[in-house]
Amino acid sequence: DSGVTQTPKHLITATGQRVTLRCSPRSGDLSVYWYQQSLDQGLQFLIQYYNGEERAKGNILERFSAQQFPDLHSELNLSSLELGDSALYFCASSVVPRTGDYGYTFGSGTRLTVV
Amino acid sequence: AQSVTQLGSHVSVSEGALVLLRCNYSSSVPPYLFWYVQYPNQGLQLLLKYTSAATLVKGINGFEAEFKKSETSFHLTKPSAHMSDAAEYFCAVRDSSYKLIFGSGTRLLVRP
Repeated sequence: DSGVTQTPKHLITATGQRVTLRCSPRSGDLSVYWYQQSLDQGLQFLIQYYNGEERAKGNILERFSAQQFPDLHSELNLSSLELGDSALYFCASSVVPRTGDYGYTFGSGTRLTVV
Repeated sequence: AQSVTQLGSHVSVSEGALVLLRCNYSSSVPPYLFWYVQYPNQGLQLLLKYTSAATLVKGINGFEAEFKKSETSFHLTKPSAHMSDAAEYFCAVRDSSYKLIFGSGTRLLVRP
């Protein structure tokens, strides 16, 4: 157990639907990062939050959104799902930005299958 | 902008042979570099990280990597491959906003 909890582990849904993926960071970590892993795109950064605020945005589609709550857990919302959204979605957490600590811990991921 | 390039999408070695997985980085500032391993149907596990201390970094499971600034490289090695090392390996660099930028990954196959 890495300390980063992602739920659900597996999700099968139909095209056009909306899903929410949840991530609880490791205790004490303030930053949360979302990544998408697909066969053709590899590991792509989606979005980063630090203590509730958005810090960086990557190649995240407009149909996707995220937020980090006061208890530091984060949710990634995917809407109007398409077949191409099928992928493994990872959450990672870290204590950065803080000089001297560069640990990034990944959850086990949520496998999303859109049918 | 920071980036990493992993040479070789697939590497095959015999059990007991040297493992060498290549990673080259591009960074306008002193880089922080990482190697992660992903076993089938699992998440990413940190093998080792370079954070500007010793250039030779030792990690878990007998892996190590050497930071070479002149070659902009951070290759991962293990003296003797084990069947359990079969997995996908990712090199990553931390960028200016503290997120990790990953390479495309190298799948390691270990032959008996």
